[in-house]
Amino acid sequence: NAGVTQTPKFRVLKTGQSMTLLCAQDMNHEYMYWYRQDPGMGLRLIHYSVGEGTTAKGEVPDGYNVSRLKKQNFLLGLESAAPSQTSVYFCASRDAPLNTGELFFGEGSRLTVL
Amino acid sequence: GNSVTQMEGPVTLSEEAFLTINCTYTATGYPSLFWYVQYPGEGLQLLLKATKADDKGSNKGFEATYRKETTSFHLEKGSVQVSDSAVYFCALSDQGGGKLIFGQGTELSVKP
Repeated sequence: NAGVTQTPKFRVLKTGQSMTLLCAQDMNHEYMYWYRQDPGMGLRLIHYSVGEGTTAKGEVPDGYNVSRLKKQNFLLGLESAAPSQTSVYFCASRDAPLNTGELFFGEGSRLTVL
Repeated sequence: GNSVTQMEGPVTLSEEAFLTINCTYTATGYPSLFWYVQYPGEGLQLLLKATKADDKGSNKGFEATYRKETTSFHLEKGSVQVSDSAVYFCALSDQGGGKLIFGQGTELSVKP
């Protein structure tokens, strides 16, 4: 049971470099999310998608782009990485209604920007 | 806007002690409330939930009651174990935005 899989799990970048985080889910879920987790800040929503081909901004979208070309994949891109983007990134998905449903999370991707 | 506030951690307890982690919220409408748990090195997973006022969610010995009059959803456990050491997140459903809003998390450490 793969669930939600994130790649890569660890990455070190230099300021200005670009990279893409991949989230893949095998549960046929419509909704997918990207969060970042920082000490003392909890989880903050970056972008989310309510279905294939759709994306929407969350709480902290600046400096990130996303794409949902296939239902099972949700990509998070950093075009020009900054030290402030050092964080642990979590992808999540759901299918049930929000008021009763559960978010299924990946194991996280730790990104360090030097 | 909607928000969730949790008590700050870390919280350190001895095994078999009573646990309370406070959570209060601000929201319009009637959100559902959740507790998620994150064990070391893992992603978050749902611990319990409550979908309307006065509902009690429970799982693995943990309980939380949805109190609309005090806008609270405090997490309790009567006797904690070392294996309960984790970070606990309170969250609410933002119906209009189709997303969950999380608190800042409370780290719990249980010593033998």
